[in-house]
Amino acid sequence: DSGVTQTPKHLITATGQRVTLRCSPRSGDLSVYWYQQSLDQGLQFLIQYYNGEERAKGNILERFSAQQFPDLHSELNLSSLELGDSALYFCASSEQGLAKNIQYFGAGTRLSVL
Amino acid sequence: AQSVAQPEDQVNVAEGNPLTVKCTYSVSGNPYLFWYVQYPNRGLQFLLKYITGDNLVKGSYGFEAEFNKSQTSFHLKKPSALVSDSALYFCAVPLNQAGTALIFGKGTTLSVSS
Repeated sequence: DSGVTQTPKHLITATGQRVTLRCSPRSGDLSVYWYQQSLDQGLQFLIQYYNGEERAKGNILERFSAQQFPDLHSELNLSSLELGDSALYFCASSEQGLAKNIQYFGAGTRLSVL
Repeated sequence: AQSVAQPEDQVNVAEGNPLTVKCTYSVSGNPYLFWYVQYPNRGLQFLLKYITGDNLVKGSYGFEAEFNKSQTSFHLKKPSALVSDSALYFCAVPLNQAGTALIFGKGTTLSVSS
């Protein structure tokens, strides 16, 4: 168990809908990352937060947004969903968000857009 | 830009034989390099990392990796493979020297036969 908790484990929804994925980092970790894993794109970085502030953006679509709350949990919001958004979404956390820090991954949320 | 390449989609070995999963990197400055493993329907688990120092890095589950600066490689190795090592393996580097997210290779599926 990595200590990173993601809910829900599975999510099935329809095109055009909006969903929210939740992540609780390991106790004491200040940095949270979101990644998307799909067969065609592989594992891609979406966005990083550090202690409530956005630190870096990757290949995140404008339809997607995220935030980190004062208790350090994070939510990833996906709107106007398309079939191509079906993927496994991972959250990871690290202590300080430094390059040398280990990132600990949650079990992921599998999103199916029908 | 930082990047890693995993030239093999799949590696097949017999149980008890040594295994190697290849990774080459392209970074500016001093490299930080990571290996992660993903078992079916699970999140990524950290195996080992190279920050500085000894070129041979030891990690979890008997895995080790050899850092080779002249060949810009960071191959994952294990002296004697187990069937339970069968999984998807990812090499990764930080997005930039300031830290933040990881950039992953496309992954290599390791299949160990009994």
